[in-house]
Amino acid sequence: QSALTQPPSASGSPGQSVTISCTGTSSDVGGYNFVSWYQHHPGKAPKLMIYEVSKRPSGVPHRFSGSKSGNTASLTVSGLQAEDEADYYCSSYAGSNIYVVFGGGTKLTV
Amino acid sequence: EVQLLESGGGLVQPGGSLRLSCAASEFTFDNYAMSWVRQAPGKGLEWISGISSSGGGTYYADSVKGRFTISRDNSKNTLHLQMNSLRAEDTAVYYCAKSPAKTYEYGPGTYFDYWGQGNLVTVSS
Repeated sequence: QSALTQPPSASGSPGQSVTISCTGTSSDVGGYNFVSWYQHHPGKAPKLMIYEVSKRPSGVPHRFSGSKSGNTASLTVSGLQAEDEADYYCSSYAGSNIYVVFGGGTKLTV
Repeated sequence: EVQLLESGGGLVQPGGSLRLSCAASEFTFDNYAMSWVRQAPGKGLEWISGISSSGGGTYYADSVKGRFTISRDNSKNTLHLQMNSLRAEDTAVYYCAKSPAKTYEYGPGTYFDYWGQGNLVTVSS
């Protein structure tokens, strides 16, 4: 059982928008602005898409955006494209002793 | 482009040992914390171990504490994970991952800006 809760699946048609949620507690997501999101195509290296809740690394399309409200973080993918179909994982700093926790992952189908 | 290349995985019997390595290139290795993250079949990601840029600080998840040892050789730009007393539940793809900070303990050290392709470890008799 993962520390952060994500829906197992999400879907959308090309051009649409989809939002994936990531629910934690005040000890992780709600307590710090160190939420990150990763895109994982099976068999490939995971890729950092969002860090520190809403920042995009260089090279990540602006279609990907992150936000947080209380103990829930969200990843929104706008203008869905076929290549966005992948597994998405959220992660958060969880304080000293634990440091990093992940969500169980969401399979996005386009 | 940053590269992380894992090696050393394979099939091992329960109770056996394996040593994973991760060769890093195209960045100043001794400036950044490194970690191992694993994904068991059909499961999500699990952060199992981290090491500070100097190697002076290490972290282990409870699931591997006392059995796994993380280390790094900054002269050879290589990260290692020594895995002993392996169990069936350790079966997973193991990824090495780089953080954009010197320590894994806070802030930018708690996310991973580059990952390796992964290395499968299968524990089975």
